[in-house]
Amino acid sequence: EDQVTQSPEALRLQEGESSSLNCSYTVSGLRGLFWYRQDPGKGPEFLFTLYSAGEEKEKERLKATLTKKESFLHITAPKPEDSATYLCAVPGGSQGNLIFGKGTKLSVKP
Amino acid sequence: KAGVTQTPRYLIKTRGQQVTLSCSPISGHRSVSWYQQTPGQGLQFLFEYFSETQRNKGNFPGRFSGRQFSNSRSEMNVSTLELGDSALYLCASTGLGGEETQYFGPGTRLLVL
Repeated sequence: EDQVTQSPEALRLQEGESSSLNCSYTVSGLRGLFWYRQDPGKGPEFLFTLYSAGEEKEKERLKATLTKKESFLHITAPKPEDSATYLCAVPGGSQGNLIFGKGTKLSVKP
Repeated sequence: KAGVTQTPRYLIKTRGQQVTLSCSPISGHRSVSWYQQTPGQGLQFLFEYFSETQRNKGNFPGRFSGRQFSNSRSEMNVSTLELGDSALYLCASTGLGGEETQYFGPGTRLLVL
């Protein structure tokens, strides 16, 4: 069964304290891995798409990497405005719909 | 370019009623997907429409239905509401050209009392 697991469920950081979020997946024939950011009460905001192992993408303090089994979202010197829930997703299931992990809730304290 | 819009943003209904939610995709996008988000289950896929046809369907009861119009706008309907239907309902649109990135709207928060 296609599955996406994110860890940790919650992460509390001090401003400037770098860390990584993990997304492990089980899917036959990866057709992309997607990272989203979601603020409370809002829809997910697209961050990155990764397609092949070894691929990396960066945006401001965020860098996403991909291996054959998992993806990491590295956050360098985070700021309080980076506080949000980060979701990853892969196309899976019998017809390719997006399967989401439960997310990592990141809190960055000043 | 305007993003995905959803109306209404908030709804309060009582058990047994029905509800219709609306989604307008990004201009030029022809695929619209619907998701239900709850604290316990996270984001779960409901269905996808492309060119007025339901292309994919998730594991939800028949009380959940949808449709898409010729201008790509989509609606979803939930009949005979249950308390467990309280959730954030999200719509996402996808562009053409093989790109699979889904862009989400702000969601409709439904509370069933």
